[in-house]
Amino acid sequence: NAGVTQTPKFQVLKTGQSMTLQCAQDMNHEYMSWYRQDPGMGLRLIHYSVGAGITDQGEVPNGYNVSRSTTEDFPLRLLSAAPSQTSVYFCASSAPGGSNSPLHFGNGTRLTVT
Amino acid sequence: ILNVEQSPQSLHVQEGDSTNFTCSFPSSNFYALHWYRWETAKSPEALFVMTLNGDEKKKGRISATLNTKEGYSYLYIKGSQPEDSATYLCAFGNDYKLSFGAGTTVTVRA
Repeated sequence: NAGVTQTPKFQVLKTGQSMTLQCAQDMNHEYMSWYRQDPGMGLRLIHYSVGAGITDQGEVPNGYNVSRSTTEDFPLRLLSAAPSQTSVYFCASSAPGGSNSPLHFGNGTRLTVT
Repeated sequence: ILNVEQSPQSLHVQEGDSTNFTCSFPSSNFYALHWYRWETAKSPEALFVMTLNGDEKKKGRISATLNTKEGYSYLYIKGSQPEDSATYLCAFGNDYKLSFGAGTTVTVRA
């Protein structure tokens, strides 16, 4: 069982570069989301999607774009990387039920912006 | 932005001892309260999802209680073992958005 797969695991970018963090799940989950983890802080929601074609902003959406063209995939795009985006990024999915369903997390992507 | 606070930030427990720690969350507009266990170099794994005031859930030696009226949940570890060493996250659910606390890091000393 693959679950939630994130790629890459590590990435170093220069300020101003763009890139896409990939996230795929094979559990047919409707809900997918992106979080960032910074030292001393809880996981913060960047964007989320409740189904294909539907996305919405979370707590810290600035500088990030998402799209959801299929149920399986939910990529996160950094348009112009900034050092403040250095973080560990987690993708998560859950079955229908809103916040009543537990999240299944990917293994994370550690991003450094220099 | 919903304020979810966990205390203490960290604690050390002797093997065999029991411990507990707290998650505080807004008492209004409650949907669900989640607990996750996060081991070093792994991703968070769900322990419990609690939705009703007075809920009590148990998984092995770990249990949790929920008080939605006063906005807190306790996580208990009975007879701590070294494999219980991890960061425990709670998250307050508001419809489709989860707001996470910063976690309580538990270190069990053999």
